Amino acid sequence: KNQVEQSPQSLIILEGKNCTLQCNYTVSPFSNLRWYKQDTGRGPVSLTIMTFSENTKSNGRYTATLDADTKQSSLHITASQLSDSASYICVVESGGSYIPTFGRGTSLIVHP
Amino acid sequence: SQTIHQWPATLVQPVGSPLSLECTVEGTSNPNLYWYRQAAGRGLQLLFYSVGIGQISSEVPQNLSASRPQDRQFILSSKKLLLSDSGFYLCACLGSSNEKLFFGSGTQLSVL
Repeated sequence: KNQVEQSPQSLIILEGKNCTLQCNYTVSPFSNLRWYKQDTGRGPVSLTIMTFSENTKSNGRYTATLDADTKQSSLHITASQLSDSASYICVVESGGSYIPTFGRGTSLIVHP
Repeated sequence: SQTIHQWPATLVQPVGSPLSLECTVEGTSNPNLYWYRQAAGRGLQLLFYSVGIGQISSEVPQNLSASRPQDRQFILSSKKLLLSDSGFYLCACLGSSNEKLFFGSGTQLSVL
């Protein structure tokens, strides 16, 4: 069964600090992995999308990594801002399915 | 570019009343369309998906139904709402390029 596990479940950091969110998956065959940011009461917004051959992809202060061998991905946030407070969702798409597999998300709170 | 229009943004309905949530997509043709529900503080639960007009697959048996009368229109319905139907409903679209899963802005449904 395809699964995506995210950790930690929640995280509280101080403004200006860095943090790293983890995503482990058991999706096969792997097609791509996406990280989304979801503000409370809003739809998720795509941050990065990575295919099998990509190891790192950046989007401003967000940097995603992918290790297809260990089936792990991370999302690193640099110099966090209050507006980074949100839920971050890892989504893995399988080449053999119309249905992406979602992680439960990591809830990030950035305190001033 | 692809955009998703989802309405209404919030909805308060009494138990036993009908429901109709509409989602329309622009900027792509023959997309895969999805309805998700997100309970407070929880991950996204796939309810229905559609790969074409009139083609609906149900992932979770319940009193909700979905229809796709046009290529870029996806409707979520219920004849009689239950208290447990309360939640945040998201429409999503995977375009023909399969590059990115786009989400609507969501509908917060409260059944009282």
